[in-house]
Amino acid sequence: NAGVTQTPKFRVLKTGQSMTLLCAQDMNHEYMYWYRQDPGMGLRLIHYSVGEGTTAKGEVPDGYNVSRLKKQNFLLGLESAAPSQTSVYFCASSTPSGRYEQYFGPGTRLTVT
Amino acid sequence: AQSVTQLGSHVSVSEGALVLLRCNYSSSVPPYLFWYVQYPNQGLQLLLKYTTGATLVKGINGFEAEFKKSETSFHLTKPSAHMSDAAEYFCAVSPPSGGATNKLIFGTGTLLAVQP
Repeated sequence: NAGVTQTPKFRVLKTGQSMTLLCAQDMNHEYMYWYRQDPGMGLRLIHYSVGEGTTAKGEVPDGYNVSRLKKQNFLLGLESAAPSQTSVYFCASSTPSGRYEQYFGPGTRLTVT
Repeated sequence: AQSVTQLGSHVSVSEGALVLLRCNYSSSVPPYLFWYVQYPNQGLQLLLKYTTGATLVKGINGFEAEFKKSETSFHLTKPSAHMSDAAEYFCAVSPPSGGATNKLIFGTGTLLAVQP
């Protein structure tokens, strides 16, 4: 089992450019999440999905879009990158119960110049 | 709304000393509680969790935490720190009624340094 994988690991964008971050999980989890981590702010939820074809907004969704076309994949898109989106992005997945932990990917470090 | 407070963004201990990382939550209903650890340049890894039952929970690497409802706390402890414990630690809560989304609310993290 690879668990949760994220592609790419690092990326540098210029302001206004677009990109897509890919998250894949092989644990057959229903739920998937995208977080951003910034110094002193912990992890903040961007978007999440409770199943294939469904997505919902989290705490900080502005400037991001997501898609869950396949159960195992969850894509995070930045249509027009801004310096404020410089962050480390983590994907996670879980079974549909609050009793169970979320499993995290290794992260993508994104810098927008 | 639920929230999580971690007192002390930086904690430094000597090798062999007690580790105590504090976590308090605000919730009208006792939530599910988690501690995650993040080693440098890695993702988050579950240390331990409390859902129901025994309030003293043991996790990996010798860590444990005690759920105290009266104090709305879930502090993380380890009797003797090792150099390898140096990492950032996050407390998180999930409301018991949140099964429809299983969303976690994270604290801002505590960076643990272990001095030789």
